[in-house]
Amino acid sequence: QVQLVQSGAEVKKPGASVKVSCKASGYTFIGYYMHWVRQAPGQGLEWMGWINPDSGGTNYAQKFQGRVTMTRDTSIRTAYMELSRLRSDDTAVYYCARVEGNSSDNWGQGTRVTVSS
Amino acid sequence: QSVLTQPPSASGTPGQRVTISCSGSSSNIGSNTVNWYQQLPGTAPKLLIHSNNQRPSGVPDRFSGSKSGTSASLAISGLQSEDEADYFCAAWDDSLNGYVFGTGTKVTVL
Repeated sequence: QVQLVQSGAEVKKPGASVKVSCKASGYTFIGYYMHWVRQAPGQGLEWMGWINPDSGGTNYAQKFQGRVTMTRDTSIRTAYMELSRLRSDDTAVYYCARVEGNSSDNWGQGTRVTVSS
Repeated sequence: QSVLTQPPSASGTPGQRVTISCSGSSSNIGSNTVNWYQQLPGTAPKLLIHSNNQRPSGVPDRFSGSKSGTSASLAISGLQSEDEADYFCAAWDDSLNGYVFGTGTKVTVL
């Protein structure tokens, strides 16, 4: 079955960077785009962008352009999302989600990132 | 921040029908299909409805979706206690060239 397993929780200081991983199994990794979505405490869902694991092509939400980098390593079926120049309002749970058609049919368990001095 | 508007809350007693609306614009719902996600407390979102009204395998037929113009709706019939969750609509937005989510609706089973 399709599984997306994300890396563990992170605590970072303002101004630092964080890199979250998402290891895929149960399907052809390069056959499906991957979304990254975040959710601040008590808030809604916010789309950050997607990566095409086949080509490495990306499309970032305007809000995050210049601060986010999405990459992948096809040899280990893993996608990455790196967010730099962290601020306190980046504290959130970050999810990867496989794209099927125009929806996200499978989600990772989430990675909690806390930004605090 | 969210470009799709949902009511913050909805409620019903077991067995009732609850409907959640999602209002957008011509650049998102008006020109692209709508998806709905269910998020149970403390868990990742789960795809509930895709392509306006299609249920993925395993989703009970109590859940149904519809779309008209720049709005969409999710209906839950025969409400059950396990349906207590947050529900989000979503669609691609051609103007933003990005995926947008609704503000979210918390469903409470009384």
